[in-house]
Amino acid sequence: GQQLNQSPQSMFIQEGEDVSMNCTSSSIFNTWLWYKQEPGEGPVLLIALYKAGELTSNGRLTAQFGITRKDSFLNISASIPSDVGIYFCAGRKETSGSRLTFGEGTQLTVNP
Amino acid sequence: DTGVSQDPRHKITKRGQNVTFRCDPISEHNRLYWYRQTLGQGPEFLTYFQNEAQLEKSRLLSDRFSAERPKGSFSTLEIQRTEQGDSAMYLCASSSPGLTYEQYFGPGTRLTVT
Repeated sequence: GQQLNQSPQSMFIQEGEDVSMNCTSSSIFNTWLWYKQEPGEGPVLLIALYKAGELTSNGRLTAQFGITRKDSFLNISASIPSDVGIYFCAGRKETSGSRLTFGEGTQLTVNP
Repeated sequence: DTGVSQDPRHKITKRGQNVTFRCDPISEHNRLYWYRQTLGQGPEFLTYFQNEAQLEKSRLLSDRFSAERPKGSFSTLEIQRTEQGDSAMYLCASSSPGLTYEQYFGPGTRLTVT
């Protein structure tokens, strides 16, 4: 089963607002990734994080690898309608080879 | 670079039938992964290949499931004697030798078992 807890499960925001979501676990992960998925499509990689404390940006998206290595955060600034979708965090443990463990996703709705 | 492709995009089958899905990874990506995603959930790992070698299989991959990557390029996932519980999106991903953990996903194959 899923080992990553994502919150919130869903968000309804107005265009232009900033968004924050997070992912937590009771286990330590060595790599964190954030994906976005739109209906009927596969997840699209947004950001990859490799070191505790690392802060990485991709345009209006910023993600952080938590210091404890048990959590990660994603922020979206100045949201636009095309940000709509489901955002998934994914983590890789040192003991799990290349397999990724995914959270259950945060559904983002942006009202114009 | 054309990205990961999967075929078919949709498959409807009757319970008990066998189905096979194909995945073509990004060229020069040596690792290929299969995941399954059910409605409202994140993807769950099934198996992965490095070149033609199948290196890891999840407990989710029952005896009815088999995956191959015979020449280290495309891969197939076969489900025998399908059950209604097999209905899901089957996702394929690939990664490069240098950035192993950055997995790029295809559009998926939506399987419906009636």
